[in-house]
Amino acid sequence: EIVLTQSPATLSLSPGERATLSCRASQSVSSYLAWYQQKPGQAPRLLIYDASNRATGIPARFSGSGSGTDFTLTISSLEPEDFAVYYCQQRSNWPTFGQGTKLEIK
Amino acid sequence: QLQLQESGPGLVKPSETLSLTCTVSGGSISSSSYYWGWIRQPPGKGLEWIGSIYYSGSTYYNPSLKSRVTISVDTSKNQFSLKLSSVTAADTAVYYCARLVATIFDYWGQGTLVTVSS
Repeated sequence: EIVLTQSPATLSLSPGERATLSCRASQSVSSYLAWYQQKPGQAPRLLIYDASNRATGIPARFSGSGSGTDFTLTISSLEPEDFAVYYCQQRSNWPTFGQGTKLEIK
Repeated sequence: QLQLQESGPGLVKPSETLSLTCTVSGGSISSSSYYWGWIRQPPGKGLEWIGSIYYSGSTYYNPSLKSRVTISVDTSKNQFSLKLSSVTAADTAVYYCARLVATIFDYWGQGTLVTVSS
């Protein structure tokens, strides 16, 4: 099983600030990493796939980078609707998810 | 617009079998481009992939759940289903169905809470 470790567990920022979320894999997943956003009471929403490709309809302020074992999701300037929980997911092996990073308003 | 909707009992007794169905609308489950899958999320916790199925019936399962999971597809009804046997309280979760493209979950149902309790 490929284990994904996300950091930090909680990130407290203000609207307009830049957010940087990390996901580290226990072994290389090449570029087969996706990011999802989940708001309370809702299903996750695909943001980024294959490390750096934005899904349909996702704003340009969301970007992803990385390969191998270290990946980053960056939100360039936080909007109020961006405060949520973010999960990474690998598809190099059978799918696994990270434990999530909660992005909260400071 | 593709939509997925989970349905099934919200309460299951310990040791019994959990059964859920996902109905797909706005698209065909028989498309050769996609798999269809189940993911669960215990209250306040993270996401766990359960398994996936192709319209032909080909399946693959999370190794940690494989002995208890069966996923099937009914193309005539545009539905796929999940059965999880011998449930315990640890199986209490919100269960989501989703479409997969290259093992990326791009469309999700709204989720349904299943509680395991006597």
